[in-house]
Amino acid sequence: RKEVEQDPGPFNVPEGATVAFNCTYSNSASQSFFWYRQDCRKEPKLLMSVYSSGNEDGRFTAQLNRASQYISLLIRDSKLSDSATYLCVVNTGDSSYKLIFGSGTRLLVRP
Amino acid sequence: EAGVAQSPRYKIIEKRQSVAFWCNPISGHATLYWYQQILGQGPKLLIQFQNNGVVDDSQLPKDRFSAERLKGVDSTLKIQPAKLEDSAVYLCASSLDRRYEQYFGPGTRLTVT
Repeated sequence: RKEVEQDPGPFNVPEGATVAFNCTYSNSASQSFFWYRQDCRKEPKLLMSVYSSGNEDGRFTAQLNRASQYISLLIRDSKLSDSATYLCVVNTGDSSYKLIFGSGTRLLVRP
Repeated sequence: EAGVAQSPRYKIIEKRQSVAFWCNPISGHATLYWYQQILGQGPKLLIQFQNNGVVDDSQLPKDRFSAERLKGVDSTLKIQPAKLEDSAVYLCASSLDRRYEQYFGPGTRLTVT
């Protein structure tokens, strides 16, 4: 079983749509959770951290379910510029704070 | 503020040759990471430095890969000899400390023929 699993997509949605990505992780000791965004042939960049209480940043909402070891990202009112790969990331829960990346979910927003 | 710098941006070599990549982290960042990203996969951590000491190198293929961070600033990653399966993007990242956000460099795209 992979440490972090994501649906690879692609998710092909029209502008203005709402889209949700899910991610599961296997290490119950993980303490920190993130969503990174990676544009084609570019480096990953932090989109948002994910907190136990859930958090929102503009059109983006992230949620964490520790009991089910499940993380989600919701994007409302999709823009063309949201087209990218979204990487689910968790830490190992030990003192190294090492990050484990999922393989990513590709989003294509069409006009 | 300058970001993480990497060079070269692209490299093509034949199998069994050697190659080295260079990374200059953001000034003041104590933690430096080297990742390997194969097409269609997420980045995989190869080695993590805290200042000039190694924190984790459990996924570094030590028979062919080596890395150093002399003086706790710049770092080099070397592959010797390269194999076809080493074709990937090698990403360097740095963070203020291991608990803080990681900032990635643009990466070096390696093709082994």
